[in-house]
This record gives sequence, C-alpha cells and structure tokens, in this order.
Amino acid sequence: AQSVTQPDIHITVSEGASLELRCNYSYGATPYLFWYVQSPGQGLQLLLKYFSGDTLVQGIKGFEAEFKRSQSSFNLRKPSVHWSDAAEYFCAVGYNTNAGKSTFGDGTTLTVKP
Amino acid sequence: NAGVTQTPKFQVLKTGQSMTLQCAQDMNHNSMYWYRQDPGMGLRLIYYSASEGTTDKGEVPNGYNVSRLNKREFSLRLESAAPSQTSVYFCASSERRNEQFFGPGTRLTVL
Repeated sequence: AQSVTQPDIHITVSEGASLELRCNYSYGATPYLFWYVQSPGQGLQLLLKYFSGDTLVQGIKGFEAEFKRSQSSFNLRKPSVHWSDAAEYFCAVGYNTNAGKSTFGDGTTLTVKP
Repeated sequence: NAGVTQTPKFQVLKTGQSMTLQCAQDMNHNSMYWYRQDPGMGLRLIYYSASEGTTDKGEVPNGYNVSRLNKREFSLRLESAAPSQTSVYFCASSERRNEQFFGPGTRLTVL
C-alpha cells in the first residue's frame, strides 16, 4: 500500500536559519509528489509539485524540494526562514489514476523563533 | 474565481442530529474529495468522486454519505452525528495529475 512518512512531528528553527523538512514515500510506480502548507485556521495551499524531469523543483515563497528516487524521498528546503513560514507542512504522493487521489503524511509543524 | 468554497464555516451539533456540509468548485474539475483532519492524524479521505455521477469510499467512510450533485457540487452528510465526528472537514478538487485545491474548511463540534 502507498504511504507517506514525515519523520518530524515538530521542528523549531530560528528566523534566518535554513530549513529542511523530510518526507519519505512508498509507492510502486513513478510518483507524483507534492508539498502543501497550512496556516492556522486555513485550508491547504500547494507549495510545489514534482511530476517528472528535473529532480529539483522550485515552489512559491522561496521553497524548493528534491526528488531522490534511490532514497524514496522528497525533502523540502528553504535557505532562510521567515517568521511568516510558521505553519504546518504536508507531503503527499499522488496516484497515477483518473481518480486523482493522494495520500498525505501526518504533517510537520514548523515554529520560527525570532 | 472563488476556487473551492465550503459552507458552513462553523457548526455545533448535538449527538444524533443530522447535517449536510456543502462544497462547490468553479474550476471545472472532474474530481472532488472530502477529508477530515484531526490533531496528529493528518488528512484522512472520507469519500471521493472521480467524476460527475460517481462516488467511492475513502479511508474513513463510516457514518457519512455523499452526493455529487453536479460537476460543481459535492456534499457530505452526517445522518446521525456522534462526538467522534468532531473534526475539521476539508473539501478539495483536482483535475490534472492529482494537484488538489482545498476549501477553507468546516469546523464541526458534536456535543
């Protein structure tokens, strides 16, 4: 069965520091991979996506992620975190079917220290 | 272009009451989904609809029913609410390659 693991439930970083959020997936075929962000009281917003091609993808708000097939990973990175990045982050893997379903990880909560 | 809209935003029910959560999208997407979000459990798929006229169970369908009224609208019904259904409910839609667009959520409390 397909699954997504986000090993870190909660991460705290200082403003201006770099950030890496980990995501590992289990899927038998070439995955579609996504990172979403959820600010408190809001719905989820797509940060970036990987379908094929270049394994380093750029997203909104200065985020990037790298797909590593050998490690079944799709880690999210940002060189310098801003206070406004404090939120919950979800990794998701999409099934290559017409139904378009995705499986989501349990999320990582990011706290930014001033 | 409103994207995905959900009504109501907040709701309090008593155990045994029924209600319908409404969802509509204006992006002409074929697929729509209902999730519930509980602390520490991420998003769990309740039901989904791959196209108008079709619905399928997701991971946690018990206690819920859905209706895909037309291509735009996908409603979620709780026939007899239970405290275990206290949660935040999200509707989403997608068209290509599984990228999903989410509504703002409905915060439901069942007393």
